[in-house]
Amino acid sequence: AQSVTQLDSQVPVFEEAPVELRCNYSSSVSVYLFWYVQYPNQGLQLLLKYLSGSTLVKGINGFEAEFNKSQTSFHLRKPSVHISDTAEYFCAAGQGGSEKLVFGKGTKLTVNP
Amino acid sequence: SQTIHQWPATLVQPVGSPLSLECTVEGTSNPNLYWYRQAAGRGLQLLFYSVGIGQISSEVPQNLSASRPQDRQFILSSKKLLLSDSGFYLCAWRGISGNTGELFFGEGSRLTVL
Repeated sequence: AQSVTQLDSQVPVFEEAPVELRCNYSSSVSVYLFWYVQYPNQGLQLLLKYLSGSTLVKGINGFEAEFNKSQTSFHLRKPSVHISDTAEYFCAAGQGGSEKLVFGKGTKLTVNP
Repeated sequence: SQTIHQWPATLVQPVGSPLSLECTVEGTSNPNLYWYRQAAGRGLQLLFYSVGIGQISSEVPQNLSASRPQDRQFILSSKKLLLSDSGFYLCAWRGISGNTGELFFGEGSRLTVL
């Protein structure tokens, strides 16, 4: 069964610094990958997704992620963060033939002034 | 456009009381529907999902149940709440486009069991 690991539970950074949030998945067979963002007391909002094709995926709010099949990773990056990026970020994976998405435990990004 | 609504947004219930959380989706037909629970530090746990009316798959044995009485309505219930049922409950829908579609989430329902 597919599993998703987010290696960092909390990531503090200063405003305008770059950030990388790490995500690893277990199986590359027909895998689809997603990053979601959750602001306090709200639902999850899709940032970006990888289905196939180009391994570099660009999303909303200046975020991007790179699919790396050999390392089974899908890390999220932003070159310069803002205070408003403070939120919890979830990586998720789906597989062809499965109705379910499996989520990581989330990474809390805190952007400090 | 598609929308998803969850209610109530917050709920405080005593141990042993019943629960009913409702979720409806508009603007799409025959969606897959999901209930997740989010507990602090534990990420999102899939509780139930449904691929059609009356079809419910349970992911973890627990004190909760789900029902799908209509195509775009998904209900999460309990007859007797436990303290451990406290959490943030999220409903989501997904199109059936080859299982590659993303989930679209509601705004969540925060349940506190006292």
